Amino acid sequence: QSALTQPRSVSGSPGQSVTISCTGTSSDVGDYKFVSWYQQHPGKAPKLMIYDVNERPSGVPDRFSGSKSGNTASLTISGLQAEDEADYYCCSYAGNYVFGTGTKVTVL
Amino acid sequence: QVQLVESGGGVVQPGRSLRLSCAASGFTFSSHGMHWVRQAPGKGLEWVAVISHDGSNKYYADSVKGRFTISRDNSKNTLYLQMKSLRTEDMAVYYCAKGKDEYIVGTTPFDYWGQGTLVTVSS
Repeated sequence: QSALTQPRSVSGSPGQSVTISCTGTSSDVGDYKFVSWYQQHPGKAPKLMIYDVNERPSGVPDRFSGSKSGNTASLTISGLQAEDEADYYCCSYAGNYVFGTGTKVTVL
Repeated sequence: QVQLVESGGGVVQPGRSLRLSCAASGFTFSSHGMHWVRQAPGKGLEWVAVISHDGSNKYYADSVKGRFTISRDNSKNTLYLQMKSLRTEDMAVYYCAKGKDEYIVGTTPFDYWGQGTLVTVSS
């Protein structure tokens, strides 16, 4: 399976909203509701931010939300904060697991 | 609290073997599927393997199938990854990760991750 496609980078000012797309195929993102999103700060382990397309684990701020349409999933960060600057990876179950290419979020 | 601590990484020559370990605590280890995920330097995440809660089911990425073996010892709350015939492209930080839902080996996300152990493959 090929990696899911994400934009290399997105940026926004504090308080703004940014959306990261994650494009797969009808065999992965399009076929399953099991899309998750992970945040990774430099030198740190990934952290689960969204699972099952739009579910938030306890402790994750409600500024983070997920959605899916067809073969593309999206992560939206509303009210961007400095601590949101990190790499973000989507992941889809597709028989096995396939990750996205990763997106660097920069807070201007 | 959930803790996952990897060990066993290091420098190894191409073609040689290495075994990674992941010591788990803070949850009922024997109830959860466990994964290995790796990240090459400066690159993205790549899922490597998963093992069911009781060790009866194991699945691998095509890139490691036949060379890597995932296993677990529920009496020791420890996950393992035996890596053989290592290649330069296997060089990465290897993370162990816990499956979120009990008794499910696929579909469930990775809700806790260790800090990783670095495997360097070089002659």
